[in-house]
Amino acid sequence: NAGVMQNPRHLVRRRGQEARLRCSPMKGHSHVYWYRQLPEEGLKFMVYLQKENIIDESGMPKERFSAEFPKEGPSILRIQQVVRGDSAAYFCASSPPSDFATNEKLFFGSGTQLSVL
Amino acid sequence: AQKITQTQPGMFVQEKEAVTLDCTYDTSDQSYGLFWYKQPSSGEMIFLIYQGSYDEQNATEGRYSLNFQKARKSANLVISASQLGDSAMYFCAMRSFWMGTSYDKVIFGPGTSLSVIP
Repeated sequence: NAGVMQNPRHLVRRRGQEARLRCSPMKGHSHVYWYRQLPEEGLKFMVYLQKENIIDESGMPKERFSAEFPKEGPSILRIQQVVRGDSAAYFCASSPPSDFATNEKLFFGSGTQLSVL
Repeated sequence: AQKITQTQPGMFVQEKEAVTLDCTYDTSDQSYGLFWYKQPSSGEMIFLIYQGSYDEQNATEGRYSLNFQKARKSANLVISASQLGDSAMYFCAMRSFWMGTSYDKVIFGPGTSLSVIP
């Protein structure tokens, strides 16, 4: 069972370009989470999705950022018109649903390091 | 609002000694889980240990144990017999969910940088 796959591992964009980050969750996992990590800081929640639904996007900036998790294919985090402040590591994590008996941990991808020139 | 606090930005420990990393949390949810993850300099997130809010016994996983004090809302990580490879960032996290709904949130603390000294 392959782990959470993120690509690309490194992404370089110039200011004003678009960045598309991909995440394939582990097989059987219906929950996908995106986090952003700035240097020397913790993980900031961005968005939580299930298949074809955005459940919680309270951590997403209001403009330029969007996320999707289609019925088929990976989850995509899209950043339009990137600025230098978007430079960060973006982590995707997946999980089965929680239940009362077993609160499942998140399985993380290796992250995408976005650098905006 | 939910929040995780880790008050120790950096910690040092002598090799083979034990160390405690602090974590306090704030939530009004009845059901939640607490996790610790390790992030070495290579960047990957490594799961260490989990404690459920209804678990009566403290969790243990090898050299890791979680000192869970529900009334104080603390979930401190104890690493026994520290090794040089334990040098890393350590993040405390909390997962809250509401049964029968799609609400399911996982938040992380700011982290503690642990350095193990030979």
